[in-house]
Amino acid sequence: GAVVSQHPSWVICKSGTSVKIECRSLDFQATTMFWYRQFPKQSLMLMATSNEGSKATYEQGVEKDKFLINHASLTLSTLTVTSAHPEDSSFYICSAPVGGANTGELFFGEGSRLTVL
Amino acid sequence: AQRVTQPEKLLSVFKGAPVELKCNYSYSGSPELFWYVQYSRQRLQLLLRHISRESIKGFTADLNKGETSFHLKKPFAQEEDSAMYYCALSGGYGNKLVFGAGTILRVKS
Repeated sequence: GAVVSQHPSWVICKSGTSVKIECRSLDFQATTMFWYRQFPKQSLMLMATSNEGSKATYEQGVEKDKFLINHASLTLSTLTVTSAHPEDSSFYICSAPVGGANTGELFFGEGSRLTVL
Repeated sequence: AQRVTQPEKLLSVFKGAPVELKCNYSYSGSPELFWYVQYSRQRLQLLLRHISRESIKGFTADLNKGETSFHLKKPFAQEEDSAMYYCALSGGYGNKLVFGAGTILRVKS
C-alpha cells in the first residue's frame, strides 16, 4: 500500500534554532498533505494544509511565520519550525490522501518528535 | 464549528467481552465520519468509514444523525484490538479531518 515517510523521527535542538521536518509520499503523488501536531495524551490538531505549488493554508491560531510549510514537489512537503522554543516541543505528524481522492482516507507518516532544549 | 467528542480516555475490557467506543460529533451539515486506529509502535491508519458501511476486523460503526453519534462496536474483543482509537469528522472539506481526543482500548486476557 501507499506509504508516507517522515524524517527525522526525532530531533533535539537548542532554543532559537530552526528545524526542518520532511514528509514524503513514497509511491504515490500527493498534491495535498496535512500537518498535525499532537501534544502528550491529546488529540491530533490540524496545523495546516500543504498545497503543491502554492501557499499552505493554515488553521486559525497557527503562526505561519513560525511554522513554514513548503510543498515544492508532488512527493515532498516540509515543515520548518523557526526559532524554536521549548513550547514548540511536540509530536508532528504529516498525512496525505489516498490517491488524491476526496474520501477522507489518509495515510499517515510515523511522526517526528521535536524536543527543544 | 466542527467538533468530535470521545468521552472515554480509557476503556478496559476482558477478552471476549463486547466493546463500544463512544463518539459524538457536532456539525451543522452532512458529516462524513471515520474511525482511525493506532496500534502500539505503529502509525495511525484508517479502520473504517461510515460511508462504506463495512465491518473491519469485526468492528462496525453506525452513523446516528439524530443522536449525532458514531460509536464503534465489536461483539467480542480480542487482545490484538488493544490500541488507541480516534474518531474523526470531515465536514465537507474533503480530506480535512477533525479528530477526537482518542480512546485507549485495553483488552485483558
